[in-house]
Amino acid sequence: DAKTTQPTSMDCAEGRAANLPCNHSTISGNEYVYWYRQIHSQGPQYIIHGLKNNETNEMASLIITEDRKSSTLILPHATLRDTAVYYCIVRPYSGNTGKLIFGQGTTLQVKP
Amino acid sequence: EAGVAQSPRYKIIEKRQSVAFWCNPISGHATLYWYQQILGQGPKLLIQFQNNGVVDDSQLPKDRFSAERLKGVDSTLKIQPAKLEDSAVYLCASRRETHNEQFFGPGTRLTVL
Repeated sequence: DAKTTQPTSMDCAEGRAANLPCNHSTISGNEYVYWYRQIHSQGPQYIIHGLKNNETNEMASLIITEDRKSSTLILPHATLRDTAVYYCIVRPYSGNTGKLIFGQGTTLQVKP
Repeated sequence: EAGVAQSPRYKIIEKRQSVAFWCNPISGHATLYWYQQILGQGPKLLIQFQNNGVVDDSQLPKDRFSAERLKGVDSTLKIQPAKLEDSAVYLCASRRETHNEQFFGPGTRLTVL
């Protein structure tokens, strides 16, 4: 079972920041938070991951609370192409197997 | 670099028939995954290979599903015989050994009638 809780759906206006929350209250100290997204009819795409510090890359920013029980993915200037299902995943620590357990994710609809 | 390739993209079969899917991972990626994604759900891992050895097949229904990765490169996933509930998208992903990011292919959409 997925160890994260996300809202089922969210809307965002084009050009605005999209803030996608994720709850992972049972996260262990050595587990990372990963975000992937899946655009319609495509395979999932990696966005970003973090352990406890905030992270930023060319796609998004990841803000993790100090207690690590929740996080927020921020798309700073959402475009129509960002419409997708966003998955927040806590990666089980099992050596280097890279196993991902997907939940149902948040469907983000970016509107013009 | 070229992405993960999968074929066919679509397949329609009748129940009790057999079907096979093919995956070519990104060159140099030692780890290969097969996922099943039922409509409206997130992907579920079926099997993971490290080179040509199986690392995790705990979620693979072994009475009807089989997978192999000969020579540690391409992989095939087979279903025999198919059931109605096998209708799903089958996704292949690969990962470089020293990295965390998985790269996914476009998937094969299977419809079992």
